[in-house]
Amino acid sequence: AQTVTQSQPEMSVQEAETVTLSCTYDTSESNYYLFWYKQPPSRQMILVIRQEAYKQQNATENRFSVNFQKAAKSFSLKISDSQLGDTAMYFCAFMRSSGTYKYIFGTGTRLKVLA
Amino acid sequence: DAGITQSPRYKITETGRQVTLMCHQTWSHSYMFWYRQDLGHGLRLIYYSAAADITDKGEVPDGYVVSRSKTENFPLTLESATRSQTSVYFCASSEGDRLNTEAFFGQGTRLTVV
Repeated sequence: AQTVTQSQPEMSVQEAETVTLSCTYDTSESNYYLFWYKQPPSRQMILVIRQEAYKQQNATENRFSVNFQKAAKSFSLKISDSQLGDTAMYFCAFMRSSGTYKYIFGTGTRLKVLA
Repeated sequence: DAGITQSPRYKITETGRQVTLMCHQTWSHSYMFWYRQDLGHGLRLIYYSAAADITDKGEVPDGYVVSRSKTENFPLTLESATRSQTSVYFCASSEGDRLNTEAFFGQGTRLTVV
């Protein structure tokens, strides 16, 4: 069974600074998808970024980028130029690329951006 | 309105009562999911469905029942609510294929069992 681990329950960062959120996972699959979802205080879940395991290039979306280390089974999220609106809970998630397409989530990291 | 909607947004019920949480999506997505969110546990999968009339257990299915007679609806029933089922429940849907991997979530239902 796949598992996703987020070892940082809470983090804080100064506005305009850079912060990295960690995620590790365990799987025996060779191809799969990884995601970072953001949950602001409104509770709405929003996709931040996704990565397909067979693609070696790290995904980027504006100020958000990932460091995907397949051998280490690590998938960290870097937020550059942090903004107050980035304050949220961030969840890392795993999905297989074949069979049943269900999402396995980590326990989340609560990020607070300080003014 | 297009999207995925949950109802109710908030619910208080008594121990032992049956309660049903509704989920409706307008995209005709194949996959639908129910998660519960609890502090320290993140999002845990309760049940999921790959298509109408096909459902399967997730990580924490005990005490819950689902059905999916129509593609767009995926209700979750707590047959006899317990205090441990106090949680925020999220419904989600996805295309269920390798080209469209994003899961879309409803706004959540905060359920309190007293």
